[in-house]
Amino acid sequence: DIQMTQSPSTLSASVGDRVTITCRASQSISRWLAWYQQKPGKAPKFLIYQASSLQSGVPSRFSGSGSGTEFTLTINSLQPDDFATYYCQQYNSGWAFGQGTKVEIK
Amino acid sequence: EVQMVESGGGLVQPGGSLRLSCAASGFTFSSFAMSWVRQAPGKGLEWVSAISGSGDRTFYADSVKGRFTISRDNSQNTLFLQMNSLRAEDTAVYYCVRESGSRNYADYWGQGTLVTVSS
Repeated sequence: DIQMTQSPSTLSASVGDRVTITCRASQSISRWLAWYQQKPGKAPKFLIYQASSLQSGVPSRFSGSGSGTEFTLTINSLQPDDFATYYCQQYNSGWAFGQGTKVEIK
Repeated sequence: EVQMVESGGGLVQPGGSLRLSCAASGFTFSSFAMSWVRQAPGKGLEWVSAISGSGDRTFYADSVKGRFTISRDNSQNTLFLQMNSLRAEDTAVYYCVRESGSRNYADYWGQGTLVTVSS
């Protein structure tokens, strides 16, 4: 089974900051990676697919990159609405999620 | 508007059974594979089970294989998860998820239904 590892687990940042979250796969998944945002008590929201393609309606300050085993989610100019937990997910072979990265207010 | 509404969650004793339902609307239900994903309290996301659009192929996580059964009724636009022999570690919010794309990512999620397994 493919394992997904995110870092850091928690990230403290301020409005306006640029933040980067890393996701590593235990084996190559090509570019079959998605990112989700989840707020407390809510369902996850789909942000990015195929490592770097933005889902319709997602603000352009979100971007994704990477291939193979290493991927990043970048949020440029962090907004108050962006404080949440972010999950990566591989869909190359079944589904597996990272453990999540909580972006909190500094 | 794509919408999925889960129901059927609740409190059940260890060893008991529960059947979750997910009513879908706003898209051609039979054209999409569907999945169940769960989230234990304070924990991350865990894929549970998936079913093809026609219902002829089903897939399960090892943690639920032999205990859970996924099914669908395309005439009623409804997805089901029959959960038997429930354990405390099955306690979680269960999300109904639509799959999309050439390799199937999760593009729409229901609001979730809480299953609590406790005596």
